[in-house]
Amino acid sequence: RKEVEQDPGPFNVPEGATVAFNCTYSNSASQSFFWYRQDCRKEPKLLMSVYSSGNEDGRFTAQLNRASQYISLLIRDSKLSDSATYLCVVPRGGTYKYIFGTGTRLKVLA
Amino acid sequence: DGGITQSPKYLFRKEGQNVTLSCEQNLNHDAMYWYRQDPGQGLRLIYYSQIVNDFQKGDIAEGYSVSREKKESFPLTVTSAQKNPTAFYLCASSTSRTDTQYFGPGTRLTVL
Repeated sequence: RKEVEQDPGPFNVPEGATVAFNCTYSNSASQSFFWYRQDCRKEPKLLMSVYSSGNEDGRFTAQLNRASQYISLLIRDSKLSDSATYLCVVPRGGTYKYIFGTGTRLKVLA
Repeated sequence: DGGITQSPKYLFRKEGQNVTLSCEQNLNHDAMYWYRQDPGQGLRLIYYSQIVNDFQKGDIAEGYSVSREKKESFPLTVTSAQKNPTAFYLCASSTSRTDTQYFGPGTRLTVL
């Protein structure tokens, strides 16, 4: 099993739709998790961090399910500008190493 | 403005040449990282440094070298020993090992 796994997509959704992505991780000792957004040919930028059960920021909600070892990202009322690749990141416990998922690509259609 | 800068943005190199990518941060972060990103793949860790004058190999260190003489700077040298150096190289920094990483804009290296 990969340390961090994501569905590569693409998820093609109409404007205004609600979309959710999951990310599974294998290290049960991981304590913090991150969602980054990466636009084409650009650097990843932090979207949300998840330290406990979840986090909400406007239209974005991240949830953590420790029992099943996955985190989810929910985007409500999708905008065209939400089109990007969403990366799940999990620090490898006890080290300075961060494990990046391959990303889920989202396309919001007009 | 605080942040991370990388230069150059695009770099072309002939086979057999070494090349050094620059990474500078003014965020006062202790930890710095170098990643490589290839199409369809996640970021892979090349080297990281927790503190000045110390650095550790990541998952794909072969063919690369780094130095950390100053807190602000963490240059990466891509040597001729790296078999497939064409990639997007990203530098990042963080305050601690569990904290958010902030990325520079990246350097796109192409070997001709």
